[in-house]
Amino acid sequence: EAGVAQSPRYKIIEKRQSVAFWCNPISGHATLYWYQQILGQGPKLLIQFQNNGVVDDSQLPKDRFSAERLKGVDSTLKIQPAKLEDSAVYLCASSTFRRSGRSGANVLTFGAGSRLTVL
Amino acid sequence: SQQGEEDPQALSIQEGENATMNCSYKTSINNLQWYRQNSGRGLVHLILIRSNEREKHSGRLRVTLDTSKKSSSLLITASRAADTASYFCATVGETSGSRLTFGEGTQLTVNP
Repeated sequence: EAGVAQSPRYKIIEKRQSVAFWCNPISGHATLYWYQQILGQGPKLLIQFQNNGVVDDSQLPKDRFSAERLKGVDSTLKIQPAKLEDSAVYLCASSTFRRSGRSGANVLTFGAGSRLTVL
Repeated sequence: SQQGEEDPQALSIQEGENATMNCSYKTSINNLQWYRQNSGRGLVHLILIRSNEREKHSGRLRVTLDTSKKSSSLLITASRAADTASYFCATVGETSGSRLTFGEGTQLTVNP
């Protein structure tokens, strides 16, 4: 099966500019996640969708970050305006997990990530 | 703050040796997972252990879980140069819904 696709792989922008990342999850995966991974740290959850609804966005800096998953398939994460501290790898992941289900565990399949450098 | 904390931060061993990485967490969990990340790549799921399990095996991997101490360990036996990567534990808390929270990782280097 095809994996989680992300683009672009690399992006360099100036501070205060905007950037958008795209993710196409594994076909049939209901749940999609965006994580931020700063160099040398573990991934931090930004937002979690189930189908096209937001499940958890408590750690998303909503003044500058936004994300959508309009048709319950692919997703876009936007940063506007970017700050120096946003330099990181943005990882998209998907899983078959559904909150309404009692079975199954939340095992994630990750894409290769989009590396953002803000100058 | 992150739920899991790995120890050590970095580990360097020779090929053929065993590697042990530890993870401690703070709150009660539903399950704990280990992921591997090769340089410049995404994370790959290795193994999951549920809160009612104490030990699981998968190939050269052995994971233990001690819920009384809120800790887990990952053992890689007969390590290979290809095992060089960062290893992360991740927890699903009992009250955090389905959120998977990652630790800071252990950087493992296996020297040929």
